[in-house]
Amino acid sequence: SQQGEEDPQALSIQEGENATMNCSYKTSINNLQWYRQNSGRGLVHLILIRSNEREKHSGRLRVTLDTSKKSSSLLITASRAADTASYFCATDSGAQKLVFGQGTRLTINP
Amino acid sequence: EPEVTQTPSHQVTQMGQEVILRCVPISNHLYFYWYRQILGQKVEFLVSFYNNEISEKSEIFDDQFSVERPDGSNFTLKIRSTKLEDSAMYFCASRVLTGELFFGEGSRLTVL
Repeated sequence: SQQGEEDPQALSIQEGENATMNCSYKTSINNLQWYRQNSGRGLVHLILIRSNEREKHSGRLRVTLDTSKKSSSLLITASRAADTASYFCATDSGAQKLVFGQGTRLTINP
Repeated sequence: EPEVTQTPSHQVTQMGQEVILRCVPISNHLYFYWYRQILGQKVEFLVSFYNNEISEKSEIFDDQFSVERPDGSNFTLKIRSTKLEDSAMYFCASRVLTGELFFGEGSRLTVL
């Protein structure tokens, strides 16, 4: 079964607006992580939220986790052109690997 | 800041040829991974490696694939006989034990 399905697949907003991306997953998790990928580059870790946490902040990033609904959201506030990238959620179920979703392609228009 | 390094950045090969992709994980990390990403698609798990052996592998990681940590630093992915569908970005990643993965910049493999 596929873990970490992001929604929407693509999102285009104006600079300064907030961007919200969602992630749903299927099995129980130890933690959920969000990564960013600039075009043609490697993935960069943004934030990790544990299964016993409901919300976490890091700078302009806010992540929520609802384990009853098996879903998470990533909010980027006051978006900048430099935030243009793909964003992936990844679930850690205590096995060896992280399972990544399809990603959300975020475009910030100046 | 320590980083995961991968070579080559881009490799073009003929179908049926062997390819070796190389990675130098972060030195104090214990878990090592290979993921791949077909253009514009999701990041797919291939294999994890711990304590000098494969700890988990996916269905994609068939007999054509192998991994090795020949010395204390390098971590390699070998594809014995490449197919067209092996064309993708291959990412190496490592982590201490749990928590975040640190990714390299990837090796783009093009199979003709």
